[in-house]
Order: sequence, then structure tokens, then C-alpha cells
Amino acid sequence: DQQVKQNSPSLSVQEGRISILNCDYTNSMFDYFLWYKKYPAEGPTFLISISSIKDKNEDGRFTVFLNKSAKHLSLHIVPSQPGDSAVYFCAAGEMNRDDKIIFGKGTRLHILP
Amino acid sequence: EAGVTQSPTHLIKTRGQQATLRCSPISGHTSVYWYQQALGLGLQFLLWYDEGEERNRGNFPPRFSGRQFPNYSSELNVNALELEDSALYLCASSPGRGTPGNTEAFFGQGTRLTVV
Repeated sequence: DQQVKQNSPSLSVQEGRISILNCDYTNSMFDYFLWYKKYPAEGPTFLISISSIKDKNEDGRFTVFLNKSAKHLSLHIVPSQPGDSAVYFCAAGEMNRDDKIIFGKGTRLHILP
Repeated sequence: EAGVTQSPTHLIKTRGQQATLRCSPISGHTSVYWYQQALGLGLQFLLWYDEGEERNRGNFPPRFSGRQFPNYSSELNVNALELEDSALYLCASSPGRGTPGNTEAFFGQGTRLTVV
């Protein structure tokens, strides 16, 4: 049972355009959501997070939107740059629990020149 | 400042053998997390150590075990290796008790384990 789903295994976006990566979750107890970025041969790096008390969080070119009623979050990258080509993992957990978070399978983003 | 380091970078074992993977956290970090990234399965939580104790483990069989040393480095041991254990094993560290997803959690580059 996949609690965190990234239904698009890959996505290609023209440089300069907006990249939108989507993520759905099933566990209504999740109240903390994160995005990680992973380059080949490197470990994932934290990108941006959002708690369930907010519906949007921005950090530079990256914005995460949370729709709690739909159990859906998305990561927007504007404008997309060649260095954004990577695998993006969505993750979810419970803020008041010091234990594991659940990761999605990842979406490979390819920025086209 | 050195980041999270893992060794070896690649490991090839035969079925039934044991594998030992090592992780050194960032200096000052006391929590170490282990994840498995198998093909098509994303990142799956394995183990969490903090202050030398196992705090939690994921849904993996007991042949996946580990420990944390007084210097906070950690070992992941996989006994009776199976072909399905072939994966990238990632270690992450953070300053203390807390989720591995906070802004102060850092991942190593991983150990690629291949079981033949």
C-alpha cells in the first residue's frame, strides 16, 4: 500500500518554463511534507517542506502547494533551469512523531534546452 | 566541513553472504538514519539510531540490523543476503532526535550493494 504516490515517473520541461511535480498521499495523519532532490551518484538533498497548517511555502524559485482536502501537494519550479534536472522525491510524515517518514518513488525531471 | 560519508561506495556479494555498510555522520550529529532505495520502490526507511540506541525500524526482516558507536558512526548489517537486497543504501544524519526530513538532515552518497 503506497501511502505517498508520485504518479509521473518522468517529466520533461523546456528551460525557462514552469515545472510542476505532483504528489498524492493517503494517510490523513500526515501533517508534514517534504521534497528532496537527487542527482545521479549523490544522496538526496532537502529542498523544501510544508506543514499542514499552511497551504503554500516559497523558497526562491521553488514553491510547494498543499491541498489537504485532496491529499495532494505539488512542487513548482519557476523558471526551470538546466541544473534542475534530477529526480525529485516527495515525502510525508507526522510532525509530532520522531520516526520514519514515507517517501514516494520519485519523478525524474528533465529540463530541455 | 565533511558531510555524511559512507563506505564502501560499491559492494558486490553473493547470495547468503553478509554485508556490512558504514556511515559517518556530520560532526556533532547524533542521529543516523538508514534508507534503502531499490529500483522502482523509492526511498524506504530502514533504521534510526540516536545516542547509540535503535529508536525505530522500518518494515524489514530481522536480518537487517545495525548499531551506532560511541562516536555516532553507524553500521548496517545485512545477513543471509538475497538477490532482492540489491539496492542503493543511503545514510542520513541530523543533530538529534527529530524527523529525518527537517532542514538539518543530510544524506550521504550511498553504498550500492549488488547481490549476485
